[in-house]
Amino acid sequence: QTVVTQEPSLTVSPGGTVTLTCASSAGAVTNEDYLNWIQQKPGQAPRALIYGATNRHPWTPARFSGSLLGDKAALTLSGVLPEDEADYYCLIYKGGTSVFGGGTRLTVL
Amino acid sequence: EVQLVESGGDLVQPGGSLRLSCVASGFTFRNYWMSWVRQAPGKGLEWVAGIKDDGSERHYPDSVKGRFTISRDNAKNSLYLQINSLRLEDTAIYYCARQWIDWGQGTLVNVSS
Repeated sequence: QTVVTQEPSLTVSPGGTVTLTCASSAGAVTNEDYLNWIQQKPGQAPRALIYGATNRHPWTPARFSGSLLGDKAALTLSGVLPEDEADYYCLIYKGGTSVFGGGTRLTVL
Repeated sequence: EVQLVESGGDLVQPGGSLRLSCVASGFTFRNYWMSWVRQAPGKGLEWVAGIKDDGSERHYPDSVKGRFTISRDNAKNSLYLQINSLRLEDTAIYYCARQWIDWGQGTLVNVSS
């Protein structure tokens, strides 16, 4: 089965910009993969941020943006706030099956 | 307001069975794919089952195929996950999710002797 790979951890300063990436063992991530980004803060349930690789949900702050970057999907946070410290997961949903990446722990320091 | 409320988690012995439930409200349940996702203590998210809006398709990863069964009752706005032959490694919080848009708060399954 497909393996989805993310950076295990990243650190960013408040106000800075950081890009998280998501790669698939099945090849280039494309619009056909229905790529989602999901945020999870400690002790909380997951929350959807981005769907279809680039689309924000109504509750997603504008500082979060999704894109396709070469063969990978990317989540860029601009003007990072302390409250953005969380685990971020990408999820590929295709043909009824789903695969999560291992998650990126983002530290704001 | 969309709500997904899971229940049914419990402390169970290895080899036992459990049926988890998720009651949905705030949207037209019969129109959406639904999924179950689990998270073992200190670990990442793992998709374990998905079901089409009308129940005509069910999908599982190889890691749980044969032991997990997802089902739904659209008349009761409810989603279910039957877990058989429970193993220690099934210990996790189990979340239901609406088409990767909304998530419940989860229910804890603890497999221990």
